[in-house]
Amino acid sequence: EVQLVESGGGLVQPGRSLRLSCTASGFTFGDYAMSWFRQAPGKGLEWVGFIRSKAYGGTTEYAASVKGRFTISRDDSKSIAYLQMNSLKTEDTAVYYCTSTNMVRGVTPNWFDPWGQGTLVTVSS
Amino acid sequence: QSALTQPASVSGSPGQSITISCTGTSSDVGGYNYVSWYQQHPGKAPKLMIYDVSNRPSGVSNRFSGSKSGNTASLTISGLQAEDEADYYCSSYTSSSTYVVFGGGTKLTVL
Repeated sequence: EVQLVESGGGLVQPGRSLRLSCTASGFTFGDYAMSWFRQAPGKGLEWVGFIRSKAYGGTTEYAASVKGRFTISRDDSKSIAYLQMNSLKTEDTAVYYCTSTNMVRGVTPNWFDPWGQGTLVTVSS
Repeated sequence: QSALTQPASVSGSPGQSITISCTGTSSDVGGYNYVSWYQQHPGKAPKLMIYDVSNRPSGVSNRFSGSKSGNTASLTISGLQAEDEADYYCSSYTSSSTYVVFGGGTKLTVL
């Protein structure tokens, strides 16, 4: 069974850091790009960023709202994707989801499946 | 404000058909066949329902179908069932630096 499990969420003060993990099973993790999304309470989905597979350079792209503060990385030997979040703001409060990402020619994201169950990050003093 | 425009809500009775629209621009929906749709029940993770405009993943009911005309994509659900009541989001690749854009979501109510 293909499965993604996020962990690492919790309550953190503004300006602090947090690292989320996304542990994959049931598929060849290294062959796929991985994305992170978030959903603020009562709001819609927002793309955070993605990391391509190593075959396509393992490069990353980010939404403007998190660029320079968030970093996505991957450890293919452990089938884990990470989201390092620095300089957190109250507006970063959300449920964070990771997804496996289908890429056209390894470069262009076109759909996201499956999704993990999400982990809640609350940024508050 | 979301990059793609969806109606905030739609409703239908069991057995009826409904269509949810998703309007973008030539830089996203209109320019690429990379539109996908996601179903999200309250407190649950999103689930892929349609990809590449009109393709259904394995396991998704054939009551769900997708299409596109110009800058507007559509999700049609036929033979509405109570379990279809959920939020639906459209997404598209975009040639802008944002790469991925979403609609604001549509709440489907089955009356």
